[in-house]
Amino acid sequence: ETGVTQSPTHLIKTRGQQVTLRCSSQSGHNTVSWYQQALGQGPQFIFQYYREEENGRGNFPPRFSGLQFPNYSSELNVNALELDDSALYLCASSDRDRSFYEQYFGPGTRLTVT
Amino acid sequence: SQQGEEDPQALSIQEGENATMNCSYKTSINNLQWYRQNSGRGLVHLILIRSNEREKHSGRLRVTLDTSKKSSSLLITASRAADTASYFCATDAGGGADGLTFGKGTHLIIQP
Repeated sequence: ETGVTQSPTHLIKTRGQQVTLRCSSQSGHNTVSWYQQALGQGPQFIFQYYREEENGRGNFPPRFSGLQFPNYSSELNVNALELDDSALYLCASSDRDRSFYEQYFGPGTRLTVT
Repeated sequence: SQQGEEDPQALSIQEGENATMNCSYKTSINNLQWYRQNSGRGLVHLILIRSNEREKHSGRLRVTLDTSKKSSSLLITASRAADTASYFCATDAGGGADGLTFGKGTHLIIQP
């Protein structure tokens, strides 16, 4: 078990709505990365926050946004939900100040958009 | 986009046998990592191999890396029913700002 927690576990929303997912990083970690995993696929990188700043972004539209707080926990916000946003959303915490670093994943939030 | 491609997509073996999964990738990497995922839940980090390493062991796991062929393999020896899961390779190009790039995974089933 990693020290990374995510909430909620499951969520059902309607197309066009907005959603906020939360992630608490492991103690001592300064970086949170978010990934989207569609059924049967590998995780796709959404973006990364390092010391409260967005540090990198994958191929996701601006309606995917995030925040990182002073305690390094993080939120992922998705506006104007689409059916294709249905997926498992994973956050991973790490310490980017190390040269080589593993990412420690939370259990994920399963989002269903109807 | 997916950089890594795991092979095979699915593998079913008897308990006690060895399981080998392969991963190919396209661009230069800083390191390559293997993760396990049970039943669509969170990923568990298994092992990280740096681009200047060729082989690494951790318990029943052995990972090889061939940067000239842009490929890696994960060997699980003496498999157990609890090893049933999906296994993903993930590449890190370095710098960290691009996140990890995952393949589609190998689904491993260990028959008791």
